[in-house]
Amino acid sequence: AQTVTQSQPEMSVQEAETVTLSCTYDTSESDYYLFWYKQPPSRQMILVIRQEAYKQQNATENRFSVDFQKAAKSFSLKISDSQLGDAAMYFCAYRSATDKLIFGTGTRLQVFP
Amino acid sequence: EPEVTQTPSHQVTQMGQEVILRCVPISNHLYFYWYRQILGQKVEFLVSFYNNEISEKSEIFDDQFSVERPDGSNFTLKIRSTKLEDSAMYFCASRELAGLTEQFFGPGTRLTVL
Repeated sequence: AQTVTQSQPEMSVQEAETVTLSCTYDTSESDYYLFWYKQPPSRQMILVIRQEAYKQQNATENRFSVDFQKAAKSFSLKISDSQLGDAAMYFCAYRSATDKLIFGTGTRLQVFP
Repeated sequence: EPEVTQTPSHQVTQMGQEVILRCVPISNHLYFYWYRQILGQKVEFLVSFYNNEISEKSEIFDDQFSVERPDGSNFTLKIRSTKLEDSAMYFCASRELAGLTEQFFGPGTRLTVL
């Protein structure tokens, strides 16, 4: 069975600085998708970025980018130029071949002015 | 921009009562899901639904749970006899097609079982 591990329960960053959130996963599948979701206090789940496993190029969405290391089964999220609105819970998720999303336990990101 | 909607936003019920949580997926989406998140814990998959039948269900999704798409627009989750441990946030999600299309999540229904 696939598992997703986020080893950082909490992280903090100064406004305008860069922070990296870690995620590792375990799978025997060769083709899969990985996602980062943001959950603000409203608890809405918002997609931040996605990565196809077959693509070697790391995904980028504005200030958000990933460091995808397939051999190491690592999928880190980098947030550049952090803003106060980035403060939220961040969940790493793996999409299995059967289509369900498997989430990590989340990392709470605090942003200080 | 189209979005997934869920009603009610908060449901309070007595243990043993039946509840129905409602979701309206995005109109051209074909795949539907329910997830739940117990307070302070991770989001867990409950069930996926496609072509009017369950595609996959988790161990959590026991005989107390059922899903239905009664009228082509709503997607419901029914809990027949609620337990205290069913208290959680329940998220509905939908997806358009196969392949790399994201699951769009609704805002969630907070279920409180007393």
